[in-house]
Parts: sequence; C-alpha cells; structure tokens
Amino acid sequence: GAVVSQHPSRVICKSGTSVKIECRSLDFQATTMFWYRQFPKQSLMLMATSNEGSKATYEQGVEKDKFLINHASLTLSTLTVTSAHPEDSSFYICSARETGGSGYTFGSGTRLTVV
Amino acid sequence: AQSVSQHNHHVILSEAASLELGCNYSYGGTVNLFWYVQYPGQHLQLLLKYFSGDPLVKGIKGFEAEFIKSKFSFNLRKPSVQWSDTAEYFCAVSSYGGSQGNLIFGKGTKLSVKP
Repeated sequence: GAVVSQHPSRVICKSGTSVKIECRSLDFQATTMFWYRQFPKQSLMLMATSNEGSKATYEQGVEKDKFLINHASLTLSTLTVTSAHPEDSSFYICSARETGGSGYTFGSGTRLTVV
Repeated sequence: AQSVSQHNHHVILSEAASLELGCNYSYGGTVNLFWYVQYPGQHLQLLLKYFSGDPLVKGIKGFEAEFIKSKFSFNLRKPSVQWSDTAEYFCAVSSYGGSQGNLIFGKGTKLSVKP
C-alpha cells in the first residue's frame, strides 16, 4: 500500500534555530500534502495544505512566516519551523493524498522539542 | 465551521467485551468519514472509511462503523475486543466529496483493553 516517510522522527533544537521536517510519498505521487500538529491529549490540528508547485494554504492562526512549507515535487513536501521557541515543541504529522485518489496516508510524525 | 466530536476520552474494557465509540460531526453537506487508529509509538493507520453506498462499513481487524445521516453520526464498533486493540482512535471528516479537501479530526478516544 501507499507509504509516507517522514523524517526526522525526533529532533531537539535550541531556541532561535530552524528545523526542517521532510515528508515523502514513497510509491505514489501526491499533488496535495497536509501538515498537522498534535498537542498532548488533543486532536490533530490542520496547519496547512501543501500543493505541489504553488503556495501552501494556511489555516487561520498559523503563522506562514514561521512555518514555511515547500512542495517542490510530487513526492516531497517540507515544513521548516523557523526561529523555534519552546512553545513550538509539539508532534508534527504529515499526510499525503494520492493524485486522483481518495485516501490519506500519514507519516509517522516528528516529535520536536525546543530547548 | 465543521467539527467532529468524540464522546469518550478514555474507554477501558476487558478482553471479549463489545466496543462502541461515538463520533458526531457538524456539517450539512456531503461528507467522507474516516476512522483512524494510532497504536502506541506508531503512526496513524486507516481502519475504515465511508464515501457513499452501504452505510454499514466494514474495516480491518474486525471493526465496522455505521453512518447515520439523520444523526450526523459515524460510530465505530467491534463485537469482541482484544488486548492488541489498545490504541487511540480518531474519527475524521472530509467535506469535499473526494477532492483535495483536508481532514478534520475529533480529539480521539483512548482505548485500554485489559487482558
């Protein structure tokens, strides 16, 4: 079946630095990828929709200059958390929808800790 | 705005007990409905989905869900749970009828099955 690879699975960074998270669809093309954030004991919150070859669509309240999304190819989307702060510490998950398909495949998530 | 409500935060059952997890959504148009499971330390996996047709949907591992349009509900059921079903379960809704619409998640229900 469809597989989405997300890296890194865990990262610790210092305040003020930037962190890049990659999301790859391994055996299918994904015109659209989604980035979610999950707080402890809470649901996944959609941050942005990433479209190949165009600008991402951000949800209300998500700072697009802080959470940079690039979807340069049909199999790769990246999320860069810029100038990270401790409050950015969270679990970030990507999902990809196969072009022309109807299902969503999730990556394994990235645990970001900002110290 | 769309929303998804899962009624139980934590459910504790003994093996062989029957399971029903509630899910209600708020949206008046056409919806696609999903149940995802997240086993400890693993990524989200699709259990089952409803797009159209028979409102009783059968998924993997003996799970099923029934879409009741008049009640805006999509409850998940399993006749006899196993210890290995211990996980967190998320109900999700997509309102774009198969296009690139994103998923809105409920807050999740943690299921603990006692051996």
